[in-house]
Amino acid sequence: QVQLVQSGAEVKKPGASVKVSCKASGYTFTSYGISWVRQAPGQGLEWMGWITTYNGNTNYAQNLQGRVTMTTDTSTSTAYMELRSLRSDDTAVYYCARGGEYSTFWGQGTLVTVSS
Amino acid sequence: EIVLTQSPGTLSLSPGERATLSCRASQSVSSSYLAWYQQKPGQAPRLLIYGASNRATGIPDRFSGSGSGTDFTLTISRLEPEDFAVYYCQQYGTSPWTFGQGTKVEIK
Repeated sequence: QVQLVQSGAEVKKPGASVKVSCKASGYTFTSYGISWVRQAPGQGLEWMGWITTYNGNTNYAQNLQGRVTMTTDTSTSTAYMELRSLRSDDTAVYYCARGGEYSTFWGQGTLVTVSS
Repeated sequence: EIVLTQSPGTLSLSPGERATLSCRASQSVSSSYLAWYQQKPGQAPRLLIYGASNRATGIPDRFSGSGSGTDFTLTISRLEPEDFAVYYCQQYGTSPWTFGQGTKVEIK
């Protein structure tokens, strides 16, 4: 069965970086893109961007350009999302999801807390 | 970017009633590339509808999507207890993809 398993919760200080992983199984990794979506506490969903897993092309949300990098390791079927220069308003649950457009399968979410 | 506005913000209904949720786009959504998701507290979103009107695998037929251009609707024909949740629309026709702010369907 399709599974996306994300790395564990992180606590970071303002200005630091975080890298969240998303390990896929149960399907051919390079057949689908991986999207990243975040959700601040009590708020709605925010699309962050997506990566095409077969060639590494990326499409980022404009408000995150320059701070976010999405990568993949096809040898381990793992996607990564790195966010730099963290601010308090980056505190959120970060989800990876299969598919670059709409997403049927989602990871369990990774809580990233940014606090001094 | 395309702004999606969902209404109402909260819908208070009883089990068995019909729910009609609206998603209005600031500009036309290309090729009806619109999806609907359901989210319950502490859970990841669940895809219900893609391509404006196509039910995802395993989604009950009480969920239906319609619309085109700038106006889209998610209808739940008869609410079951498990349907009380927050619903989001998402457009993926024009980059950047965007989500609506959500409609909460609560028990009256």
